[in-house]
Amino acid sequence: SQTIHQWPATLVQPVGSPLSLECTVEGTSNPNLYWYRQAAGRGLQLLFYSVGIGQISSEVPQNLSASRPQDRQFILSSKKLLLSDSGFYLCAWSKGTVYGYTFGSGTRLTVV
Amino acid sequence: SQQGEEDPQALSIQEGENATMNCSYKTSINNLQWYRQNSGRGLVHLILIRSNEREKHSGRLRVTLDTSKKSSSLLITASRAADTASYFCAATTGGGNKLTFGTGTQLKVEL
Repeated sequence: SQTIHQWPATLVQPVGSPLSLECTVEGTSNPNLYWYRQAAGRGLQLLFYSVGIGQISSEVPQNLSASRPQDRQFILSSKKLLLSDSGFYLCAWSKGTVYGYTFGSGTRLTVV
Repeated sequence: SQQGEEDPQALSIQEGENATMNCSYKTSINNLQWYRQNSGRGLVHLILIRSNEREKHSGRLRVTLDTSKKSSSLLITASRAADTASYFCAATTGGGNKLTFGTGTQLKVEL
């Protein structure tokens, strides 16, 4: 069966520090991968998605970047965090648009 | 930008009652999906309905889709305290691979 791993679960980082969140998928190949951010009490905002290795689509210009160095690995990064980067970050995968998404358990990021 | 907007934003019912949540969207869709999110957790896929379908059932869930009104509804029958969560609709559009989420309905089922 397919599983998705996302870590860490919580993170407190100072303003200006770098960020690296990792997401890996097991049990499938060539998944579509997604990073979403959820502000407190709000819906999900799509940040990046990838349909293959090295293919990254950015949805919202911001202080973040994403990379897909391996088929089942998706990384969200920042060189210098801002206070506004705080939020709940969710990774997800899907086999395509006619399928549902499977989400990771999320990372609660607090920038202080 | 948000594709869907759920109504109501919050809903409180007694255990055993039915819960109905509505979702309106803006553009033509390929399919519409509903997800559940327990507090502080990831989202769980509940059900997907294609644009050429009008109704779909899964256990205690019933989803309807009205493409002429650009709306969908999720009905949870005989609700339980464990159904307490936020519920989101989401849609895929055009030939894209991305899912756009609505703002969510917070459901509270009281004993």
